[in-house]
Amino acid sequence: GAGVSQSPRYKVTKRGQDVTLRCDPISSHATLYWYQQALGQGPEFLTYFNYEAQPDKSGLPSDRFSAERPEGSISTLTIQRTEQRDSAMYRCASSRRAGEKLFFGSGTQLSVL
Amino acid sequence: GQQVMQIPQYQHVQEGEDFTTYCNSSTTLSNIQWYKQRPGGHPVFLIQLVKSGEVKKQKRLTFQFGEAKKNSSLHITATQTTDVGTYFCAANFGNEKLTFGTGTRLTIIP
Repeated sequence: GAGVSQSPRYKVTKRGQDVTLRCDPISSHATLYWYQQALGQGPEFLTYFNYEAQPDKSGLPSDRFSAERPEGSISTLTIQRTEQRDSAMYRCASSRRAGEKLFFGSGTQLSVL
Repeated sequence: GQQVMQIPQYQHVQEGEDFTTYCNSSTTLSNIQWYKQRPGGHPVFLIQLVKSGEVKKQKRLTFQFGEAKKNSSLHITATQTTDVGTYFCAANFGNEKLTFGTGTRLTIIP
């Protein structure tokens, strides 16, 4: 696509529910990143993919968080048993190759009630 | 851990004044990138610095990478209202992930 697309734009869920966030990167981009951004803070690294490989998932806060990119294109971030502290903006970004400039999507604003 | 400190956290300047934000790391960086995030928007790439002592300019913006590749700065000359936003540095420690600084939020007083 022309840019990085994320859906949904907003997600409100109840504590304990599972949520899945979707990212559709720029079609020619090999690398896809997930970041978490709290209000007034910088993006915090969660994980990244080179095509379908996931070399680094060190930023995932707990085992409730997982991410996939099975065909090296679209990626999903799943949070199981959501907690209020998971409320944040989740940003996806892609780059042509690892280490190059990132193109961010508009993000998914997650609110856990 | 691999962290990058960014100062100041906030900066309020009169329109027309200059603005500078600084990024510092205790570890040598492979490269550093700078992003701008407008209020309500997403980070947008500005520049990447790779070489020791590198200086790059984009109109009123000047970016520097320190000789030791541990610090960087962004300087804006004669700020305009369109410069409002949060400026982030993003450090590459050689492991392919970008570590973002805490950002400097710039507000302009007309």
